[in-house]
Amino acid sequence: DAGVIQSPRHEVTEMGQEVTLRCKPISGHDYLFWYRQTMMRGLELLIYFNNNVPIDDSGMPEDRFSAKMPNASFSTLKIQPSEPRDSAVYFCASSLGGRARHNEQFFGPGTRLTVL
Amino acid sequence: DAKTTQPTSMDCAEGRAANLPCNHSTISGNEYVYWYRQIHSQGPQYIIHGLKNNETNEMASLIITEDRKSSTLILPHATLRDTAVYYCIVRASTGTASKLTFGTGTRLQVTL
Repeated sequence: DAGVIQSPRHEVTEMGQEVTLRCKPISGHDYLFWYRQTMMRGLELLIYFNNNVPIDDSGMPEDRFSAKMPNASFSTLKIQPSEPRDSAVYFCASSLGGRARHNEQFFGPGTRLTVL
Repeated sequence: DAKTTQPTSMDCAEGRAANLPCNHSTISGNEYVYWYRQIHSQGPQYIIHGLKNNETNEMASLIITEDRKSSTLILPHATLRDTAVYYCIVRASTGTASKLTFGTGTRLQVTL
């Protein structure tokens, strides 16, 4: 398995532009997580899905952020409009739930977003 | 989830054991101790977890005190590739996924 795949790996955009980050989880995993990492705030959970349904979006900073998971193999995190303070590394992770499992999360390589 | 306290940074000579401590004095009976690490410019990576018994896998050993208020992650023979930030996380595990709340972790520097 290729692991969690994220694209793009790097994104540079200007303030006010729409940004879409993409994630392909590990095949068969039923949980998907979006995290953001900055020097100031560390690694923060933004939202997570179970079986394509958003379960907890309490970490989403504001209405400019939205996430979707149209099917089990694809998720997007969209920022519209983007602001310089959104500059961060965004990680996607997936895991396999179930009673006998401890839900080890597998992280992707991240997308480094720079908003000018 | 219980809060954890870790030293900000540690050094270890290559080939020696690295012992990374974690305090979690408010841990509840149903909460597990998890360790993840993050090598520079990569996503975090799961290392090991435990409830109350000591655990060992191919990467590390986890020693949890009898009162479960603290634990130690042991890398038996540290290499330069083990240089990373190590996160100790305490959370309940009910068989369904739950949040991982990352603190600031311990930055381990392995040196020649």
